[in-house]
Amino acid sequence: GNSVTQMEGPVTLSEEAFLTINCTYTATGYPSLFWYVQYPGEGLQLLLKATKADDKGSNKGFEATYRKETTSFHLEKGSVQVSDSAVYFCALTGVSGGGADGLTFGKGTHLIIQP
Amino acid sequence: NAGVTQTPKFRVLKTGQSMTLLCAQDMNHEYMYWYRQDPGMGLRLIHYSVGEGTTAKGEVPDGYNVSRLKKQNFLLGLESAAPSQTSVYFCASSSLAGVVDTQYFGPGTRLTVL
Repeated sequence: GNSVTQMEGPVTLSEEAFLTINCTYTATGYPSLFWYVQYPGEGLQLLLKATKADDKGSNKGFEATYRKETTSFHLEKGSVQVSDSAVYFCALTGVSGGGADGLTFGKGTHLIIQP
Repeated sequence: NAGVTQTPKFRVLKTGQSMTLLCAQDMNHEYMYWYRQDPGMGLRLIHYSVGEGTTAKGEVPDGYNVSRLKKQNFLLGLESAAPSQTSVYFCASSSLAGVVDTQYFGPGTRLTVL
């Protein structure tokens, strides 16, 4: 079945540091890939997505590129802020049923940005 | 628009009690989902629905039942709660737009079973 592996946290960085959170996946077919963010006490929000190989998703200074050859979708940001502190989830769609059968999530990476 | 709302926000049950969690969305979405979130486990799909009157099992359906009598509502029931069902429950919805569509999440329900 489908699976997502992402780096375990917590990841602690200083403000303005460069961020990379690794994500690799196993899936049949050609899934769509997502990064969701969860701020303390809240639900998940979509951060960015990519639907086919070599697509780059971007939002709020975050970027991730769909790499089919390495089955990866690493999240990057050039200069993090304290407000980026949150839990980040990598996810993919199922490839059956038009994606209606829900998302498969990684375990989440807790990011802590220190001033 | 309120988006996706969940009721209640918090609940404490004793083992063997029953309860229903309500999810409502005002975006006219066809698809709705229930996930549970446990520490170190990410989110796991419990049940989902592809339209009014339909439901299907996800990854971890045992001990839960669901109903989708109205398009905007998706109910998750626990008939006999167990401590293993202590978790944070999230509802989500998405439109009928194929594999690329975004899922919109509710704020969650924190359930403790003693």
